[in-house]
Amino acid sequence: DAKTTQPPSMDCAEGRAANLPCNHSTISGNEYVYWYRQIHSQGPQYIIHGLKNNETNEMASLIITEDRKSSTLILPHATLRDTAVYYCIVRFGSSNTGKLIFGQGTTLQVKP
Amino acid sequence: GAVVSQHPSWVICKSGTSVKIECRSLDFQATTMFWYRQFPKQSLMLMATSNEGSKATYEQGVEKDKFLINHASLTLSTLTVTSAHPEDSSFYICSARVYLGGSSGNTIYFGEGSWLTVV
Repeated sequence: DAKTTQPPSMDCAEGRAANLPCNHSTISGNEYVYWYRQIHSQGPQYIIHGLKNNETNEMASLIITEDRKSSTLILPHATLRDTAVYYCIVRFGSSNTGKLIFGQGTTLQVKP
Repeated sequence: GAVVSQHPSWVICKSGTSVKIECRSLDFQATTMFWYRQFPKQSLMLMATSNEGSKATYEQGVEKDKFLINHASLTLSTLTVTSAHPEDSSFYICSARVYLGGSSGNTIYFGEGSWLTVV
């Protein structure tokens, strides 16, 4: 699985959009980009994933560049409850053996 | 999303004893589950991949005789920490793969985690 690079920490004002970047320059053509978050002392929560098209769900939007070497997770209106560690992971989404390997993630602090 | 449940949420055991943690998929069948451990202020570390009806595949450096994994049904995987010692104290998290269909591939949902303290 390709590796990802994320900034270690970010701040965001409550009510504003939080844009979390992720670099995955060695991603292969059949690897998906997944985003999870982990709130303190809880199991990771699935947010969204995509292959090459931009994706949106009730939690967030995922913007993937045309060359697929980077992506951005957007939380449109961040709240204090969005404070968490956000993990960007690439894996073979259609494979029965694809594992999720976690890096260090980005600690997002939403401030009032 | 799919629900994965772990039990117990926290457990304290004496050094030298064994403790079992259960991971259940509540509304779907999971042929593959994964077990992680996480130490304070660190990221999740994959321990093993659990496949229903077959032996688990352990990551490099994980002792298979110490961390016994059983995946006897499509909705239950168990992790048994044998002869536990204080250094085994950690947050253990399971996850299960769900096939979403179509071009969405599959994704993985996580349980709430289990805190193990060995005294």
